[in-house]
Amino acid sequence: SQQGEEDPQALSIQEGENATMNCSYKTSINNLQWYRQNSGRGLVHLILIRSNEREKHSGRLRVTLDTSKKSSSLLITASRAADTASYFCATDANDYKLSFGAGTTVTVRA
Amino acid sequence: GAVVSQHPSWVICKSGTSVKIECRSLDFQATTMFWYRQFPKQSLMLMATSNEGSKATYEQGVEKDKFLINHASLTLSTLTVTSAHPEDSSFYICSARDSVLAYNEQFFGPGTRLTVL
Repeated sequence: SQQGEEDPQALSIQEGENATMNCSYKTSINNLQWYRQNSGRGLVHLILIRSNEREKHSGRLRVTLDTSKKSSSLLITASRAADTASYFCATDANDYKLSFGAGTTVTVRA
Repeated sequence: GAVVSQHPSWVICKSGTSVKIECRSLDFQATTMFWYRQFPKQSLMLMATSNEGSKATYEQGVEKDKFLINHASLTLSTLTVTSAHPEDSSFYICSARDSVLAYNEQFFGPGTRLTVL
């Protein structure tokens, strides 16, 4: 079942600006993952953060996790037109099934 | 990185026919594969978990007789939509979990767009 909620639903920013999106979930998790999906395509894994981690970086991506608030955020710095996509958080509650959030559609204007 | 392929990438069929979608892990073994369905502008909904050599586990509300899953080898899982109807039109995505990795990173296929007329 879908347990993650994301906000905002949509985000439009200028190239070079930062994009921040948030994900909230309901149950205890083993890890939380962020994925990107370009229109009509499959998902690309961006980053995984374990429940005992608070922050993780990968290139221009920064992910935070607050298990007390059951929330995570994804920050994309210095955005590019190629970052235009939908971004989904997915939680793994230790049973290897992923529950996806509703997604945030990001549009980066040149 | 690990690659998962799906075939076909799109298919159009008449109502009442059956459609088979293949999901292959190309460079790793996957004891577990997952099948998702995604409607336009919506998130992915897990349909079933496919385990090599055993019966698939279906999520609540997913008809196992309508969506037949076969995971015959460590690199191939198939989803057959039987007696497809227009409401089955959707984007079907599979993912595969690398048996060797300790954590649950799933690698996703490019998806199959099914349109039932």
